[in-house]
Amino acid sequence: QLQLQESGPGLVKPSETLSLTCTVSGGSISSSGYYWGWIRQPPGKGLEWIGSIHYSGTTYFNTSLKSRVTISVDTSRNQFSLKLSSVTAADTAVYYCAGHPSLVYFDYWGQGTLVTVSS
Amino acid sequence: QSALTQPASVSGSPGQSITISCTGTSSDVGTYNYVSWYQQHPGKAPKLIIYDVNNRPSGVSNRFSGSKSGNTASLTISGLQAEDEADYYCDSYTSSSTLVFGGGTKLTVL
Repeated sequence: QLQLQESGPGLVKPSETLSLTCTVSGGSISSSGYYWGWIRQPPGKGLEWIGSIHYSGTTYFNTSLKSRVTISVDTSRNQFSLKLSSVTAADTAVYYCAGHPSLVYFDYWGQGTLVTVSS
Repeated sequence: QSALTQPASVSGSPGQSITISCTGTSSDVGTYNYVSWYQQHPGKAPKLIIYDVNNRPSGVSNRFSGSKSGNTASLTISGLQAEDEADYYCDSYTSSSTLVFGGGTKLTVL
């Protein structure tokens, strides 16, 4: 049973880069064949897929965010990370990391972490 | 990629059945049998309840079922229970190798 946990700053200044890490436990990030993704949810609004990475390094991104997003995997630490550059208040959201056995549905989710963009 | 279209809210009484629609395009829902549904209670992470249009993960009640016709997928909840009150989201794989969520539907159990 995989468990995921997000970590990172809860407050980021406008124009700076948001950085989050997801630690996976209960299985190896590289041996399970899973994809690893990030989803966000602005307060009171719906879910938005940000992007995903396969442990091999292949990445997939929401086209509307692609220019600002970097997702990477650190197999030695069993972690994957999100970087979102040039943030604005519109990027304020709960950010979830999730695991998916194929690129089509998420079956393991972290608890989510609120990131607020404000000066 | 535009969000899939879901009704903002639906409601039903205990014991009744309700259906939530999820409308996309021929670039996503209409072409791929890769529609998923998630249940989200307030302050909690989403939970997968249906994948690949009509498959239930282990442990999910058989009161939840999914279907698809053309560009519209549907989630049906039968024998409505108070604990089903939550937000429900669909998502779909797209022809651009991306994923797109629906706007979400708030289910109220009267």
